[in-house]
Amino acid sequence: EVQLVETGGGLIQPGGSLRLSCAASGFTVSSNYMSWVRQAPGKGLEWVSFIYSGGSTYYADSVKGRFTISRDNSKNTLYLQMNSLRAEDTAVYYCARYHYDSSGYIEDGWFDPWGQGTLVTVSS
Amino acid sequence: SSVLTQPPSVSVAPGKTARITCGGKNIGSKSVHWYQQKPGQAPVLVIYYDSDRPSGIPERFSGSYSGNTATLTISRVEAGDEAEYYCQVWDSTSDHYVFGTGTKVTVL
Repeated sequence: EVQLVETGGGLIQPGGSLRLSCAASGFTVSSNYMSWVRQAPGKGLEWVSFIYSGGSTYYADSVKGRFTISRDNSKNTLYLQMNSLRAEDTAVYYCARYHYDSSGYIEDGWFDPWGQGTLVTVSS
Repeated sequence: SSVLTQPPSVSVAPGKTARITCGGKNIGSKSVHWYQQKPGQAPVLVIYYDSDRPSGIPERFSGSYSGNTATLTISRVEAGDEAEYYCQVWDSTSDHYVFGTGTKVTVL
């Protein structure tokens, strides 16, 4: 069974750092495209970051330069290093596996499955 | 980045049909995917590539297009379909993935 489990969330002061982990089972993270999506309390979904199987990374403008997506192939785990955290980064962070149809554009894909999410609260 | 507009809420009686729209600039040229999110839970994919259904998703869920609007249709609505629904596309202008504003479906 394909499963994603996020950990690492918590309460952090503005300006602080936090690293989220997403442990995968049932598939190999390094062979797949993976992403982080967040959801502020009572708000909609916001894409945060993406990593290709080849290692290329992409970020939303709101986190570029502060967040870093990476993976540990030996642990089959995806990470999100979050630095210089702001109150507006408060959200549930989900990791998700990315799929696309090989006959189409890579970018036209979808996210499935998603982990259960981990809550990050940035507050003094 | 691109804005995907959805109606904030849709109310439907059990057994009837719910239609959730997703509008955006040039959406007709994009692949649209739909997610269901129940309170306190992670999103679940219900439609991909405009109208394909993942395994395990009932045939009552379907997707379609008309002009610059994508539509998620839920036929024979059940109480368990009550949830927030989001559309999603890739925005080539910003090189970002974009989600719609979300629609809360209430079963009367």
